[in-house]
Amino acid sequence: KNQVEQSPQSLIILEGKNCTLQCNYTVSPFSNLRWYKQDTGRGPVSLTIMTFSENTKSNGRYTATLDADTKQSSLHITASQLSDSASYICVVTLSGGYNKLIFGAGTRLAVHP
Amino acid sequence: SAVISQKPSRDICQRGTSLTIQCQVDSQVTMMFWYRQQPGQSLTLIATANQGSEATYESGFVIDKFPISRPNLTFSTLTVSNMSPEDSSIYLCSVDHRGSTDTQYFGPGTRLTVL
Repeated sequence: KNQVEQSPQSLIILEGKNCTLQCNYTVSPFSNLRWYKQDTGRGPVSLTIMTFSENTKSNGRYTATLDADTKQSSLHITASQLSDSASYICVVTLSGGYNKLIFGAGTRLAVHP
Repeated sequence: SAVISQKPSRDICQRGTSLTIQCQVDSQVTMMFWYRQQPGQSLTLIATANQGSEATYESGFVIDKFPISRPNLTFSTLTVSNMSPEDSSIYLCSVDHRGSTDTQYFGPGTRLTVL
């Protein structure tokens, strides 16, 4: 069964600290993996996208890694800011006729001052 | 990139009524999708809106409950019919925008509350 599992479910950190969110997937055939940020009451916004051959991708303070062998990905947030408070969703795309997305349940991050 | 707008942004509706949500994209796109996000949950695909033909529904979703229109390559509507409190969710439009590295964009969502 195609699944995407994220951990932790929720996380609280202090402003300025770093954190790492995890994503494990059992999706086949694999096309790509995306990390999205979803602010409360808004639609998801893409942070990074990685294909099978890519190990790491950065977007400002966000760095995603991908290990296609172990089917694991992580999203590292550096020097967190209050505006980083959001849900972070790992999404794996099935290859095929159209891009069918398999969504993780998300990690809800709260950054406190 | 693709800029997506949805109307309304939120609504509160009575049980048994219907609501039509509009999705407008600023450029022509091949694929448009409708998702539901129930409180505290991640996104679930409702259907793919096909231009010029009937929508393709995912398991658990039917056309009578969620009729979809796709009159052209920049616009789609989703109707939530005969609503019940269980339909209270955020409904999101998404597009597959070819020609860009990151091809999946999401609208801001419509927050629906059914009383």
